[in-house]
Amino acid sequence: DVKVTQSSRYLVKRTGEKVFLECVQDMDHENMFWYRQDPGLGLRLIYFSYDVKMKEKGDIPEGYSVSREKKERFSLILESASTNQTSMYLCASSRWTGATYEQYFGPGTRLTVT
Amino acid sequence: RKEVEQDPGPFNVPEGATVAFNCTYSNSASQSFFWYRQDCRKEPKLLMSVYSSGNEDGRFTAQLNRASQYISLLIRDSKLSDSATYLCVVTIGGATNKLIFGTGTLLAVQP
Repeated sequence: DVKVTQSSRYLVKRTGEKVFLECVQDMDHENMFWYRQDPGLGLRLIYFSYDVKMKEKGDIPEGYSVSREKKERFSLILESASTNQTSMYLCASSRWTGATYEQYFGPGTRLTVT
Repeated sequence: RKEVEQDPGPFNVPEGATVAFNCTYSNSASQSFFWYRQDCRKEPKLLMSVYSSGNEDGRFTAQLNRASQYISLLIRDSKLSDSATYLCVVTIGGATNKLIFGTGTLLAVQP
């Protein structure tokens, strides 16, 4: 079974704090993703990575950065948290089935910025 | 126009009913299609990939209509445990590893 874990289920931070969200997958997947999910907006892609030290912007990268120093770990960084970054953050990794890529998600981190 | 559109529901159905969800997508170059299930305050979980010829997994049947750019999910003999939000997901154009998610359809199966 694919296993994707995230460092925290719930997190409360203050405006202006630097926030690190960690994601680890144990299936040797090359591709990893960070999304945020908000009511009425669905999942939106923040950043993704195809390989170690590789990163690409998704649809809403502003206010975020990422780090991928090891294949199994993909970190999302909020340099200076703001209240509009209160959201559910979901990490995913994907595997090639031979026909398509299938993405598998971690349990999510519900971040509240006060 | 949203890239992936779904009826948000809720669909309230009795146990044992058959229920169908549709989803439309705007990018005709989309190549891969999926249905994910998401329980309240949990992560999305892959329910099934959708293939051109249609596919079935137990009580669940998925269909793809490329000409009309929609996919469907049929659930037969609904169970209480099927209550969840069902997310329609497509790839972006020819890039098969980037997904666009619909906002989901809420299903509530009533006893």
